[in-house]
Amino acid sequence: DTAVSQTPKYLVTQMGNDKSIKCEQNLGHDTMYWYKQDSKKFLKIMFSYNNKELIINETVPNRFSPKSPDKAHLNLHINSLELGDSAVYFCASSQHLPGNPAPLHFGNGTRLTVT
Amino acid sequence: AQKVTQAQTEISVVEKEDVTLDCVYETRDTTYYLFWYKQPPSGELVFLIRRNSFDEQNEISGRYSWNFQKSTSSFNFTITASQVVDSAVYFCALSENTGNQFYFGTGTSLTVIP
Repeated sequence: DTAVSQTPKYLVTQMGNDKSIKCEQNLGHDTMYWYKQDSKKFLKIMFSYNNKELIINETVPNRFSPKSPDKAHLNLHINSLELGDSAVYFCASSQHLPGNPAPLHFGNGTRLTVT
Repeated sequence: AQKVTQAQTEISVVEKEDVTLDCVYETRDTTYYLFWYKQPPSGELVFLIRRNSFDEQNEISGRYSWNFQKSTSSFNFTITASQVVDSAVYFCALSENTGNQFYFGTGTSLTVIP
């Protein structure tokens, strides 16, 4: 069974469209993340939720809106897509233990291409 | 300021050679954790190791070994007798005491030539 699954795997869309990426984890973790990996492979944190509460919100355009309906799901909605949004988006989860960070478990990524 | 620096952008080695990937970190916390992840060409990110700041013992797992030196703020990763399947981008990461935030280095792309 896939531990962290995100859909879709590939997403090709035109500028100006709105799209969503879904993420689900079955590991029982309480913390979920969205990372963006650009063409140079740099991994940048976007958001993190702990038990459905937003705990990390890096400098991300407000066109990006995460939603966590429960601690097993963290979706990412992107409005008015721009060319610069093209990247691979990774969902991840971990069990947050204060002072004892557990490893991140990553999904397989969603390759977003904006044309 | 960059908290995790992987100065080697790309490395190429011939199969069976040993290779060391460097990782230098920066933190003011006395308690912190360091990680290595592997990203093969298929794109997934695979956890390799976690080390806390109080454990400076080197770790060996098969052909992989890690050298943690607090004096130089380094957590280097050595692959012995490299194989083509080791070709990947390797990321070093730091998590500080709060545990919420993971700081990734820019990655080192390793190519093992048969």
